[in-house]
Amino acid sequence: QKEVEQDPGPLSVPEGAIVSLNCTYSNSAFQYFMWYRQYSRKGPELLMYTYSSGNKEDGRFTAQVDKSSKYISLFIRDSQPSDSATYLCAMSDEAAGNKLTFGGGTRVLVKP
Amino acid sequence: EAQVTQNPRYLITVTGKKLTVTCSQNMNHEYMSWYRQDPGLGLRQIYYSMNVEVTDKGDVPEGYKVSRKEKRNFPLILESPSPNQTSLYFCASSYGGYNEQFFGPGTRLTVL
Repeated sequence: QKEVEQDPGPLSVPEGAIVSLNCTYSNSAFQYFMWYRQYSRKGPELLMYTYSSGNKEDGRFTAQVDKSSKYISLFIRDSQPSDSATYLCAMSDEAAGNKLTFGGGTRVLVKP
Repeated sequence: EAQVTQNPRYLITVTGKKLTVTCSQNMNHEYMSWYRQDPGLGLRQIYYSMNVEVTDKGDVPEGYKVSRKEKRNFPLILESPSPNQTSLYFCASSYGGYNEQFFGPGTRLTVL
């Protein structure tokens, strides 16, 4: 079993819809949770960064962490065709230093 | 412009022919890492470096070498490449262990 599980998709939604992405993990020591966006033929870029449990909002993006369920989510409101990309969750713990454990990524396609 | 650069971007080589992929960052970051990305497996860390002359193994270090003689550079060396090292490689850097990692544009390597 992988340490971080993420549905590969693809997830296809119409423009303006809410995109809902999630990851489950098995390591209860994870405390730092990130979402990266990766466009085709590009490197990942950080979208959201949260520490421990709770919600964080940034514009159209909301990240949620539920440590009791070992489950994290990313919501994209009012989705745009430019949101079409692969979304990767990543997480880390104190002992791991800068080592991130990534999910496999979910490919999202927002149709005009 | 703050960035991580990698060269070459694309490389096709044959089994056993030594190669080096260069990585350079201009943000004065202490931490640098190498990842490989394979379909369904996400990003996996190969090696990382916390500072000059300090390197350590990640999750999949076999068949790779690194060096960190200068803060800005972190080359990845494949002494004797094999077909199972065909992958998309990313270099990343960050200020500290839990901070945002900036990724390079990627190097697509094919080993025949």
